[in-house]
Amino acid sequence: ETGVTQSPTHLIKTRGQQVTLRCSSQSGHNTVSWYQQALGQGPQFIFQYYREEENGRGNFPPRFSGLQFPNYSSELNVNALELDDSALYLCASRGLAGDEQYFGPGTRLTVT
Amino acid sequence: ELKVEQNPLFLSMQEGKNYTIYCNYSTTSDRLYWYRQDPGKSLESLFVLLSNGAVKQEGRLMASLDTKARLSTLHITAAVHDLSATYFCAVGAYGGATNKLIFGTGTLLAVQP
Repeated sequence: ETGVTQSPTHLIKTRGQQVTLRCSSQSGHNTVSWYQQALGQGPQFIFQYYREEENGRGNFPPRFSGLQFPNYSSELNVNALELDDSALYLCASRGLAGDEQYFGPGTRLTVT
Repeated sequence: ELKVEQNPLFLSMQEGKNYTIYCNYSTTSDRLYWYRQDPGKSLESLFVLLSNGAVKQEGRLMASLDTKARLSTLHITAAVHDLSATYFCAVGAYGGATNKLIFGTGTLLAVQP
């Protein structure tokens, strides 16, 4: 157990819709990152939040956005869903001194 | 741009045999991670390697890091079926305050009885 939780576990959406995925980190873990893992591939970095501000972003369009809250929870929002957005979405949290990144169980998003 | 390559992509082993997975990366980094992923599941942290020459062992798995060669290895000793999974290496890429991981393509390990 990593202490990182995500919801929902599975989600099915239609192309063009919007979706919000949620992550709850361990207390004190003030850095959270989101990753997208397409089937058969390694995870790809989407963005990172530190103290409620985005401070790093991968090669993802602006329709991928996020929020981080003071209670160590965070959200990933995706607008105008496309079929290629179907993937496992993972959040990872990191503590103050830690080199370790703790991954949550993931949310499986299917876009039809 | 940092690139991470793993080989082999697929590895079929017999129980009791030894084998090594290789992870090469293209630019300097001092943090190398190994993860295990079972089908449909999240990533389980195996090792974090933080310095040149670092070696860590857990059970039948041993990981090492050579930062000069930009190479990490994951050695499997006397494989058992329970080790069947996909193994990823990931390199820490740091720019400004960002602490992102760049993952390899993964190695699918199938241990046959």
